[in-house]
Amino acid sequence: KAGVTQTPRYLIKTRGQQVTLSCSPISGHRSVSWYQQTPGQGLQFLFEYFSETQRNKGNFPGRFSGRQFSNSRSEMNVSTLELGDSALYLCASSPTGTGGEDEQFFGPGTRLTVL
Amino acid sequence: GENVEQHPSTLSVQEGDSAVIKCTYSDSASNYFPWYKQELGKRPQLIIDIRSNVGEKKDQRIAVTLNKTAKHFSLHITETQPEDSAVYFCALFPRGYNKLIFGAGTRLAVHP
Repeated sequence: KAGVTQTPRYLIKTRGQQVTLSCSPISGHRSVSWYQQTPGQGLQFLFEYFSETQRNKGNFPGRFSGRQFSNSRSEMNVSTLELGDSALYLCASSPTGTGGEDEQFFGPGTRLTVL
Repeated sequence: GENVEQHPSTLSVQEGDSAVIKCTYSDSASNYFPWYKQELGKRPQLIIDIRSNVGEKKDQRIAVTLNKTAKHFSLHITETQPEDSAVYFCALFPRGYNKLIFGAGTRLAVHP
């Protein structure tokens, strides 16, 4: 089975722009979660999607949004980019996402640099 | 809210020594505690996990212990090898929520 894939792997943007990141989960996995990793804040949960619905949300501003498609692929969008949004964005998939009972499998991440 | 404290932030050991990383948490309803290893430039990978109905779990040189009363869980690596050098994260799922809350990470360096 192919693992979780993320595109693009690297991205450079300037302040004020917006960006869309994509995540393809492991085949058959219905839950996709997004995390932000920075040296200062560590790994922080952004949101989780299951069956095209956002089920859980972390403490991030509304500039961070996401969606999930019927094939379970997910995208996250960041609008009006700030320097502090520079980070590694990781997505993770799990089969059912049942209350934390499934292992989450991480993708390689998208490294976003905001200049 | 949920919180996980992880110690130490850095750990340096000689090859063959043991390494112990400890995490404490605040949400007593948590019931699943995974540990992830992240090598430089790579994705986090699950190395071992433990559920609240178990006190200890071993997998070769790696073990995890859980004390639900004291609300802490620890990762034990025995006979460390240079390839164990990485950042290790403890995490938990708040009960009923499919979101991982991570500790701040421990950078382990194993010197030959």
